[in-house]
Formats: sequence, C-alpha cells, structure tokens
Amino acid sequence: DTEVTQTPKHLVMGMTNKKSLKCEQHMGHRAMYWYKQKAKKPPELMFVYSYEKLSINESVPSRFSPECPNSSLLNLHLHALQPEDSALYLCASSHPSGGSNYGYTFGSGTRLTVV
Amino acid sequence: AQSVTQLGSHVSVSEGALVLLRCNYSSSVPPYLFWYVQYPNQGLQLLLKYTSAATLVKGINGFEAEFKKSETSFHLTKPSAHMSDAAEYFCAVSGGAGNKLTFGGGTRVLVKP
Repeated sequence: DTEVTQTPKHLVMGMTNKKSLKCEQHMGHRAMYWYKQKAKKPPELMFVYSYEKLSINESVPSRFSPECPNSSLLNLHLHALQPEDSALYLCASSHPSGGSNYGYTFGSGTRLTVV
Repeated sequence: AQSVTQLGSHVSVSEGALVLLRCNYSSSVPPYLFWYVQYPNQGLQLLLKYTSAATLVKGINGFEAEFKKSETSFHLTKPSAHMSDAAEYFCAVSGGAGNKLTFGGGTRVLVKP
C-alpha cells in the first residue's frame, strides 16, 4: 500500500459545527503532516507529527486541533471555523527524516467549504 | 530557513514543444528538492526528487530535472509537451530541522494544440 487516504473528499460545514478530517497511511511512515491550500496558491504547512508527537505547529488558530491516535492515523478536528478557512486540506506522510530518499506522499485532499 | 522561488506563474507551450519550468532554491544545508504536479481538484503527485545521489534526475511522465549547485537551480524539463501535461507544478525543498517541506509559488502550464 503506497497511498495516503483522506476522508471525506468534500465537506460543507456551518460556522457552529464540529467536524473532523481523517487521514490514513499504511506505509510505515512515522511523520505525518497537515497542509492547507487556498485556490491558486501553494500548500502551506499547518502541523507536523513525528512518532505520534506534535513537533511543529505553524501558529495555527486553535479552532484547528490535530490528533495522531496511532502511527497510521492523523485527524484534524474543526470547530467554529470561519468562511476564510474554506480550502483544500492535504495530508502527507514521510519517513521521519522527512527529506531523505523516501520523499513525501500526499493524499488527494478534503475540499472544505465553511458556510 | 529554506525556500524555493519559481520563475513564472504561468507558462504556455505548444503541444510537442519543450517544457521548461524554473526553480531556484535557498538553503543553508544540502537541500532535498522535489517537483510535484497537481491536476485540478486533486492532491499532489511526486514527479521526481533530488537527494544528492545524481545531479540529473529522471521522473515520471517523461520529466527530468538537473540540480546545479553553482546556480542554486533545479529546473524541470520535458522534451515534448502533451495535452495531459496541463496542470499546476510546484517545486519544493526540505532539509534541516523539523522535516518541513516548503513549496514555491507554483507554475500553471497551459498546453496549446
């Protein structure tokens, strides 16, 4: 299995809703990432988990709450989002050394719309 | 801090013509460099990566890139463009602390018949 699977593919939520994005990989990667991508822009790093521990938080608002329950799963819990949070949310995984020969594998993303 | 700069946000090529996408990097440590492609409403697909093994890197779909340390460049080329190459292309760099993968601004490729 050489894929990163993200669910759901599309999500529409109100500003008072609570929802979660899920990401799963079975490549034995011990580093996992959340990126946010606005239209016509490059992906921007949000969080990095290494060996199930949060290692980087790029000053993301607290309405986004990541969780890594085990080495294969990564969640992003959403609460009280704003319309400007509408974007494509990408999950990725890699060997813990990140930029080594192993590279980064991305999921196909969750298209989030906040209404 | 590491960064990459992609020259040209849009490139238009004719089908069968050379595709050249430019990327320059800035890194205080030996960089790992990547090219990704993104089709509309999809995630990122790795085209190729430079990890210091060889300066000329061959990737998928006929793409290749050459790492030039003296020019701090990692330009992407394909000898003959195909209609299916129309997409957004991102150069990215990683290395140093934190396993961060940082992207350039992207180049949108339009292929004309």
